[in-house]
Amino acid sequence: QQPVQSPQAVILREGEDAVINCSSSKALYSVHWYRQKHGEAPVFLMILLKGGEQKGHEKISASFNEKKQQSSLYLTASQLSYSGTYFCGTENPGAGSYQLTFGKGTKLSVIP
Amino acid sequence: NAGVTQTPKFQVLKTGQSMTLQCAQDMNHNSMYWYRQDPGMGLRLIYYSASEGTTDKGEVPNGYNVSRLNKREFSLRLESAAPSQTSVYFCASSLLAGVGNEQFFGPGTRLTVL
Repeated sequence: QQPVQSPQAVILREGEDAVINCSSSKALYSVHWYRQKHGEAPVFLMILLKGGEQKGHEKISASFNEKKQQSSLYLTASQLSYSGTYFCGTENPGAGSYQLTFGKGTKLSVIP
Repeated sequence: NAGVTQTPKFQVLKTGQSMTLQCAQDMNHNSMYWYRQDPGMGLRLIYYSASEGTTDKGEVPNGYNVSRLNKREFSLRLESAAPSQTSVYFCASSLLAGVGNEQFFGPGTRLTVL
């Protein structure tokens, strides 16, 4: 089942902060975050693993609440280059453990 | 390092025609994936290959077949295209299948079925 992302869209001015949330109805092994610019491929940002390990971009921060089956991506002091659609992907135990199930995305627009 | 490459970039088919989408990676990754992306739907997994010689169905495999030709190449075939298969197709690869392996995506193939 697809994770649910919120908000669906957000508009920021340069320098403002944003939080993007990802929520699953199933237990999670991990949460992945990707950013996709219009007409381009998704680009890896970060993985958060059960147990607290994280790997990804130094300038990106995120949290993973295993009990609540939720993750949040924190974008601080936003820049124009942050614009794009952000996807979370979840790995769930049981149902095809090699599969990432992606949310529908959050469209972020940063304006001057 | 080209990363993940896909051909063709664009394709228009008529209903019932067949075609093969090609994908190759030069990162010595073991696992490869095919996704489709439709407006408002996010990315949905069609098939994946955890390692050379293995393939498995993903979330939306109907109407597609795949071949893991060797460690580098993973192709997706539409035997009889339907308008519902109009989409953007992304190939991805990761070092290993399983928890915690980031995926690297190709530039995509934009397919229109008339």
